[in-house]
Amino acid sequence: DAKTTQPPSMDCAEGRAANLPCNHSTISGNEYVYWYRQIHSQGPQYIIHGLKNNETNEMASLIITEDRKSSTLILPHATLRDTAVYYCIVRVPNAGNMLTFGGGTRLMVKP
Amino acid sequence: ETGVTQSPTHLIKTRGQQVTLRCSSQSGHNTVSWYQQALGQGPQFIFQYYREEENGRGNFPPRFSGLQFPNYSSELNVNALELDDSALYLCASSFGTLKQGTQYFGPGTRLTVT
Repeated sequence: DAKTTQPPSMDCAEGRAANLPCNHSTISGNEYVYWYRQIHSQGPQYIIHGLKNNETNEMASLIITEDRKSSTLILPHATLRDTAVYYCIVRVPNAGNMLTFGGGTRLMVKP
Repeated sequence: ETGVTQSPTHLIKTRGQQVTLRCSSQSGHNTVSWYQQALGQGPQFIFQYYREEENGRGNFPPRFSGLQFPNYSSELNVNALELDDSALYLCASSFGTLKQGTQYFGPGTRLTVT
């Protein structure tokens, strides 16, 4: 499995961009980077995923470095409702499509 | 489009008892995965069902078992409950077993074993 490393916690001011980093230096060529978030006591929510190109959707943007060893999830205008634990996951190939969650980053958005 | 639903929301069981948790997958999805999330930790993969067959299993003992039905809904059964089985149990559905398949989670069932 390619492991990921994320800072345990981050703060962000409401209305500002939240940039959440993730290191995945052992990622292999056919593995995707997925981001999920989990608001307290709820099920994880899918945010975005990508292979090598930058991706954007209505929730966030995903920037993957050219060597694919790290990525950044960007929430362009963080709100209090974005306070959650954010998980960066690298998909394990040929493993029953499972997700391997690490510790994640606890993002606190402050007024 | 109907999302993933789970029942019950909460339940309390006694050590040694058996429990069944239920999950209805998102419309159009044929694969269900189950995860266990202990307090303060990330979810841990239990197993996955694809077209009514187990399609992968994590490091959980055989007393954790499951079923998938023709309508792709699923059950998680846990026998001989232990105190450490207290956790949030999450169900996630996806389409097929493609490596790119995105999993969508339900709200979870909070199990407390006393």
